[in-house]
This record gives sequence, C-alpha cells and structure tokens, in this order.
Amino acid sequence: EIVLTQSPATLSLSPGERATLSCGASQSVSSSYLAWYQQKPGLAPRLLIYDASSRATGIPDRFSGSGSGTDFTLTISRLEPEDFAVYYCQQYGSSPWTFGQGTKVEIK
Amino acid sequence: EVQLVQSGAEVKKPGESLRISCKGSGYSFTSYWISWVRQMPGKGLEWMGRIDPSDSYTNYSPSFQGHVTISADKSISTAYLQWSSLKASDTAMYYCARQVVRGVILGSWFDPWGQGTLVTVSS
Repeated sequence: EIVLTQSPATLSLSPGERATLSCGASQSVSSSYLAWYQQKPGLAPRLLIYDASSRATGIPDRFSGSGSGTDFTLTISRLEPEDFAVYYCQQYGSSPWTFGQGTKVEIK
Repeated sequence: EVQLVQSGAEVKKPGESLRISCKGSGYSFTSYWISWVRQMPGKGLEWMGRIDPSDSYTNYSPSFQGHVTISADKSISTAYLQWSSLKASDTAMYYCARQVVRGVILGSWFDPWGQGTLVTVSS
C-alpha cells in the first residue's frame, strides 16, 4: 500500500499570499496518477487537480499541481477567502487507492 | 448536471444491519465506476472499495474487505454500501464518488462526490 504524507499539517497564511502544499509518497506513483481535493467543513470533497497537474473543470487557474514519482505539490498562487479549507492528495496508481492525511490552510 | 444523491442519515444499534444508497443522474450510470469513501469524525478520507455498475465487478481495500458489501442496481442507477452487523467504530460519514473508467485495473480520480450519509452506531 502506498502511504501518502502531506506537509505541513497546518498552513497559516493571509489572503493574497501563496500557498505551497506537499504530498510525499512511500513509493513511486505510477504515471503521476495523483489527485488533489478541497474539503470545507460540512461539505463533500471537491476535485481540484487530477493526473498530478490537470485542473478539473471549473477550477480557477490560481490552483496548480506539479510533481512526479514520490513528490507532488499543490500551489495556490494567491489565496482567496474561499480557499481556506482542508486539502487532500490521493493516489490512484496502485490499489488500494490511498489519501494523505490532509493539510489545513487557515487564516493567519 | 451530473449528480450523486445519497440516502439520509441513519442511527443504528450495534449488531444491526444497514444499507445506504447513492443514486446517479445526468450521465450514463454504467459507463463509470462508483467508489465509497469513509470519513470518521474529525479524520481524513479512506477509500473502501469500488464497483463497476455495468457488470457489478467489485474490488475492496484490504482494510474493508469482508466488513462491507458494495453492490449496484443499474436499472435504477443506484449503488449501495451495506453492513450485516454494525459496530460503534462504523460511526462515520460515508461518501460515494464517481470514477472515470481507464481500464480494468487502472484507477482514476473521484468526481463528483455525493453529499455524504452520516451513519451513527450507538447503543
């Protein structure tokens, strides 16, 4: 089973700042089969990025994904008030498909 | 609009059985997989298993194999997650999510997600 480790656990930033979230895998994620999700309190997760760097439909271009192998990054170029939430990475290159433990982006 | 609508919250006692549902609309139900994901209170996301509604082929995470059963009725575009004997540790929010089919064993991302079904198991 591939274990995904997200860092940091919490990121305290102000609106307008840049957020950089990391996701490390215990072994290589084949074909960069990695996704990022955003979850707000009381709501279901929402897909942001798939295949490591492809933005999902309707996702603003301030969200971008990069990486390959065992190291992946989600970048939010300029934080908007609605971006404060928990973010999860997920690999689907090897079953069982697994999620990271999440990074909370909170208002500083 | 593509939607997954899940059944309502449930309160059950330990040892009881339960089946929750996830109805797809706005797309061809048999052209995509459905997965189930657990989120325990205050915790992260855990993939439980998936079903191909076209032939009801399933595969499960080892962590959930034997503890739950995933099924589907393609005639009514609905997938199910069921327990035969609930435990207090099954208390959680359960989400269904749609997956693009990329091949028999290749996985894919989850999009969209259902709104979630809260299951509470307490004596």
